[in-house]
Amino acid sequence: ETGVTQTPRHLVMGMTNKKSLKCEQHLGHNAMYWYKQSAKKPLELMFVYSLEERVENNSVPSRFSPECPNSSHLFLHLHTLQPEDSALYLCASSQDGPGQETQYFGPGTRLLVL
Amino acid sequence: AQSVTQLDSQVPVFEEAPVELRCNYSSSVSVYLFWYVQYPNQGLQLLLKYLSGSTLVESINGFEAEFNKSQTSFHLRKPSVHISDTAEYFCAASYPGTYKYIFGTGTRLKVLA
Repeated sequence: ETGVTQTPRHLVMGMTNKKSLKCEQHLGHNAMYWYKQSAKKPLELMFVYSLEERVENNSVPSRFSPECPNSSHLFLHLHTLQPEDSALYLCASSQDGPGQETQYFGPGTRLLVL
Repeated sequence: AQSVTQLDSQVPVFEEAPVELRCNYSSSVSVYLFWYVQYPNQGLQLLLKYLSGSTLVESINGFEAEFNKSQTSFHLRKPSVHISDTAEYFCAASYPGTYKYIFGTGTRLKVLA
């Protein structure tokens, strides 16, 4: 595997379910990001981890819980989501260098909340 | 408030014609500027970026963008487009020393034969 991979690619869940999204980067980077991409809206930066420490948390509801066990893996734990949380969730990684480094994106997980 | 605006949601253009995708940013501090491209069912890929120095930056596939501080713009141009350029293009700004990234809403470029 090369680049940034995300699993699953598609996920359908009910509002009472608990699920997790997984992201893995094979680029040797030390910063990882979660974004939400909804139709007709700008990409929304949700969380940023640098060297496994959370450095950015953009007022995301607590029903989204990130986890970064090491610099290669990033998880987004989901529970009691709402239908408006349906979106494409993108993971990205970069070398650490706040603001200036190129981000490398995974293909995303398309989430549908029923 | 800091923001990135892409006024054109869709731009249709014929193959081999020139194209300009517009991007304006709003910031009272220094910014870095990026253009990313997203092909169907894929993540975003960097096209080009401006950090400092020459205000004209180029990509390997013929796109260029010019940083214009007075106009607060970073428009993307290509003199002759190909069918394969059909994709969604996102302009983004980031702020030195921070992890604050702001994206525009994207412009869908449709190249017609």
